[in-house]
Amino acid sequence: QLQLQESGPGLVKPSETLSLTCTVSNGSISRSSHFWAWIRQPPGKGLEWIGSIYYSGSTFYNPSLKSRVTISADTSKNHFSLKLTSVTAADTAVYYCARQVVVPAALVSFDYWAQGTLVTVSS
Amino acid sequence: DIQLTQSPSFLSASVGDRVTITCRPSQGFSSSFAWYQQKPGKAPKLLIYDASTLQSGVPSRFSGSGSGTEFTLTISSLQPEDFATYYCQQFNSYPLTFGGGTKVEIK
Repeated sequence: QLQLQESGPGLVKPSETLSLTCTVSNGSISRSSHFWAWIRQPPGKGLEWIGSIYYSGSTFYNPSLKSRVTISADTSKNHFSLKLTSVTAADTAVYYCARQVVVPAALVSFDYWAQGTLVTVSS
Repeated sequence: DIQLTQSPSFLSASVGDRVTITCRPSQGFSSSFAWYQQKPGKAPKLLIYDASTLQSGVPSRFSGSGSGTEFTLTISSLQPEDFATYYCQQFNSYPLTFGGGTKVEIK
């Protein structure tokens, strides 16, 4: 069974960079039928898609965060990463990584999710 | 961007009740639509994709329907384990967007 696990600091200071990595087990991020995504959820609020990456490096970002977000993939380590710069308290959230099915088109969904990691922005 | 208006945002229901949650996109499209269930402290779980296809392992009391500008999630007979928050989501175009969520609580 595919597994995803986030790792990274749980506390980030304002104006600094949030960095998280999602390691994929029992499956390869190099499969052509999948993108790999980051999604976040502020405490007590709804879900927000941050962005997605294909193993080749192609990316899609949420325009609301695009100027501050970089998602990258390392196929040799079978993981992908999120960097969010110039964070503020509004970036405090549970951050999830997930597998995004893209092929075939009829199956598009986020079908596997990591457990989520809370990142708090505070001095 | 496609905005998803989900309703109701909260509903109180009893075990055995039939429950329907609606999601209305700001622009119409045919499918590329999913529903998720989220329990407190847990990651969302995929229930329905392609608007009406049940994810493997999901009980048949869950069903999805709709296209265009209205999609629905129905739980035919609410069970104790179904009390959770439900989200709709569209894959028709980027940026991918979610509905605001529907919290289903015990009456």
